[in-house]
Amino acid sequence: QKEVEQNSGPLSVPEGAIASLNCTYSDRGSQSFFWYRQYSGKSPELIMFIYSNGDKEDGRFTAQLNKASQYVSLLIRDSQPSDSATYLCAVVDYKLSFGAGTTVTVRA
Amino acid sequence: DGGITQSPKYLFRKEGQNVTLSCEQNLNHDAMYWYRQDPGQGLRLIYYSQIVNDFQKGDIAEGYSVSREKKESFPLTVTSAQKNPTAFYLCASRDRTYEAFFGQGTRLTVV
Repeated sequence: QKEVEQNSGPLSVPEGAIASLNCTYSDRGSQSFFWYRQYSGKSPELIMFIYSNGDKEDGRFTAQLNKASQYVSLLIRDSQPSDSATYLCAVVDYKLSFGAGTTVTVRA
Repeated sequence: DGGITQSPKYLFRKEGQNVTLSCEQNLNHDAMYWYRQDPGQGLRLIYYSQIVNDFQKGDIAEGYSVSREKKESFPLTVTSAQKNPTAFYLCASRDRTYEAFFGQGTRLTVV
């Protein structure tokens, strides 16, 4: 089992819709969870971090964490063409591990 | 300005040659990481270091080597044993309780 798994995508959503991204992790002891956005050919940039169970909102982005289910998600509301990118889930245990990423395309 | 700097941005390697990728940070972070990214793929961990003079193998360490003699620097050497080194290489640093910051990446191509 991979340490961090993401829904494979690609995900295509119309402008203004909600994009839903999912991530599961294998180490129950993991404490910190991050979502990064990566544009083609560029380095990843942080969108959200979450440490506690529940929801965390920041503008159009909402991260959700359920440690019992070992599941973390990212919702992008009112999706814009500029949100078209690859989204990477990252989990910290004794190292920093990333999922394979989900590519999102927002259709104008 | 604080940040993390990778150099060079583009690097070409001949068959059988060792090359070294530079990664320097002035964020005073203890932890540093090297990742490899192939087209359409996620980030795979090569090596990581949580403190000076100590480093650990990641998931794909074969054919790579690192050193951590200074807190600010974590160079990665791609050796001739790495048979398929063409990829985008990313270095990151992290404070213990916060997110990782990435350099701009080095794109390595075998010629």
